[in-house]
Amino acid sequence: GAVVSQHPSWVICKSGTSVKIECRSLDFQATTMFWYRQFPKQSLMLMATSNEGSKATYEQGVEKDKFLINHASLTLSTLTVTSAHPEDSSFYICSAPRTLETQYFGPGTRLLVL
Amino acid sequence: QQQVKQSPQSLIVQKGGISIINCAYENTAFDYFPWYQQFPGKGPALLIAIRPDVSEKKEGRFTISFNKSAKQFSLHIMDSQPGDSATYFCAAGKRSGGSNYKLTFGKGTLLTVNP
Repeated sequence: GAVVSQHPSWVICKSGTSVKIECRSLDFQATTMFWYRQFPKQSLMLMATSNEGSKATYEQGVEKDKFLINHASLTLSTLTVTSAHPEDSSFYICSAPRTLETQYFGPGTRLLVL
Repeated sequence: QQQVKQSPQSLIVQKGGISIINCAYENTAFDYFPWYQQFPGKGPALLIAIRPDVSEKKEGRFTISFNKSAKQFSLHIMDSQPGDSATYFCAAGKRSGGSNYKLTFGKGTLLTVNP
């Protein structure tokens, strides 16, 4: 069964609003989680590393004020897309490492900004 | 700079045939190489992974071949089935701050297995 969940699976919002996406590890603790972005028929691009108890680290070119990450507990990380615009429409996927190597991915959240 | 190059972009195979997808990497700091399978609208699922101290790893119908000197690795799917039709991503990982691996993904291969 799924070991990483995401909520919501689909979200449609108006331009200028903020959207929060949750990522949960279901049966293990994850001090680190990763957030990816995937455009249609393209690869996964790592956006940021979410760290429990400390600030997230962002990949080059990712606006940290635009994509707010909070690792609230050992099983929950949230990604908030602030002041969303149509170009932020994408498939957002989180992952959590169950071991040092093995990352389990969530089912993804499709965001459509109108 | 594309750190992980994957080919082909798409692949069509007949049922029962062998599907082969290739990847090449540039950064010798990578030391973990997983393959993921992704169905439309779903998150990627780990298929099989290999470390560079091993030249081949087999799990069921899936085999990874690894050539450290050439910095290349490939996925072989034996006896391909229509249910294997999906997008396959190779990835290369290196330790992030001494703990978990950060993954860099290839661009993906859309595999279609015809019945």
